Amino acid sequence: NAGVMQNPRHLVRRRGQEARLRCSPMKGHSHVYWYRQLPEEGLKFMVYLQKENIIDESGMPKERFSAEFPKEGPSILRIQQVVRGDSAAYFCASSPAVSSGNTIYFGEGSWLTVV
Amino acid sequence: QKEVEQNSGPLSVPEGAIASLNCTYSDRGSQSFFWYRQYSGKSPELIMSIYSNGDKEDGRFTAQLNKASQYVSLLIRDSQPSDSATYLCAVNLSGGYNKLIFGAGTRLAVHP
Repeated sequence: NAGVMQNPRHLVRRRGQEARLRCSPMKGHSHVYWYRQLPEEGLKFMVYLQKENIIDESGMPKERFSAEFPKEGPSILRIQQVVRGDSAAYFCASSPAVSSGNTIYFGEGSWLTVV
Repeated sequence: QKEVEQNSGPLSVPEGAIASLNCTYSDRGSQSFFWYRQYSGKSPELIMSIYSNGDKEDGRFTAQLNKASQYVSLLIRDSQPSDSATYLCAVNLSGGYNKLIFGAGTRLAVHP
């Protein structure tokens, strides 16, 4: 039973390029969460998605960042025109249901470095 | 006031001692609380979840919850060098879905 799968694990982009991070939830999970962790900081909530729906994007920067979770395929976190401050670890998590109290399980993360 | 607060540490304890990690939260309606362990360069790993006031034990780990004081803690008995990591407290805000808010984490160092 595979866990949350993220790729790429490491990504290097030059300033101004686009970064696409992919996340496949655990089998049976239909809810996906994206978190960002800046160096030496805690995890910051970015967005919560269900299939074809963005439920809560209150943690997403207003510009350059977008997320989707299509009916088929993985969830994608897209960062356009990356800047050095976007360098961070991006973690995806998934859960099986909406009800409060269910545990969320994290993938191994995608480390973005902007040079 | 931050939603979830933890001392950043480092908390240094000798091998075999009890490590005590503390966390306070601001949302009085929160119902679910989690402790994650994160090794450097790795993803968070769930250690414990707790939903009711009181203690919950799992092996060497004990989570304690006091909703009246808005306080949750994690005790690690017989600490081992392999327990050296950052411990993240996470709170599920009241609102009906699994939006976890994390504290900044406490770095634990267990020295031989």
